[in-house]
Amino acid sequence: NAGVTQTPKFRVLKTGQSMTLLCAQDMNHEYMYWYRQDPGMGLRLIHYSVGEGTTAKGEVPDGYNVSRLKKQNFLLGLESAAPSQTSVYFCASKAGEESDTQYFGPGTRLTVL
Amino acid sequence: GQNIDQPTEMTATEGAIVQINCTYQTSGFNGLFWYQQHAGEAPTFLSYNVLDGLEEKGRFSSFLSRSKGYSYLLLKELQMKDSASYLCSIMDSNYQLIWGAGTKLIIKP
Repeated sequence: NAGVTQTPKFRVLKTGQSMTLLCAQDMNHEYMYWYRQDPGMGLRLIHYSVGEGTTAKGEVPDGYNVSRLKKQNFLLGLESAAPSQTSVYFCASKAGEESDTQYFGPGTRLTVL
Repeated sequence: GQNIDQPTEMTATEGAIVQINCTYQTSGFNGLFWYQQHAGEAPTFLSYNVLDGLEEKGRFSSFLSRSKGYSYLLLKELQMKDSASYLCSIMDSNYQLIWGAGTKLIIKP
């Protein structure tokens, strides 16, 4: 039982390049989330999903797209990376009940030059 | 608007007690969470409060007063491994988590 995993762990991009971050969970959780964490700020929700085939925008969705084709996977895409997207990205999942705990992946540290 | 305030940084001594405060103003309230995050690692769940009062879990306790929009995390018998950031988060009316910026706790020998 690996919990929540993220790939890659680190990545450096040039402005304008694209990439996809992969999140996978083996806990059969319905809800999945993508956050970004920047110094001096709280975690900010980018996009989330309440089940396979569904996605919704969070607080800071611009410049990102997501897909949830399989229940266990939640992909975050950057179509044209910008320096403002330099951040640490965390994926999280929870079983589905409103009060359930969110479980986090180890994070992806992304630098956009 | 929505706002969660925590001190940016606190310092305490090994073996002592420290209280980390969190005040909030959010659109709706469905519970308050505390998470611990060691440097370079993912946040991990510590506690959940939805009713007023104190929840105790080993060396850690969390208190909530919904009428005052206030919570605190109490850490007893501090150990060096408790050096970490402590994140306060509120589950709002849409069951989304709103996060404070976190309190960096430094433990000195």
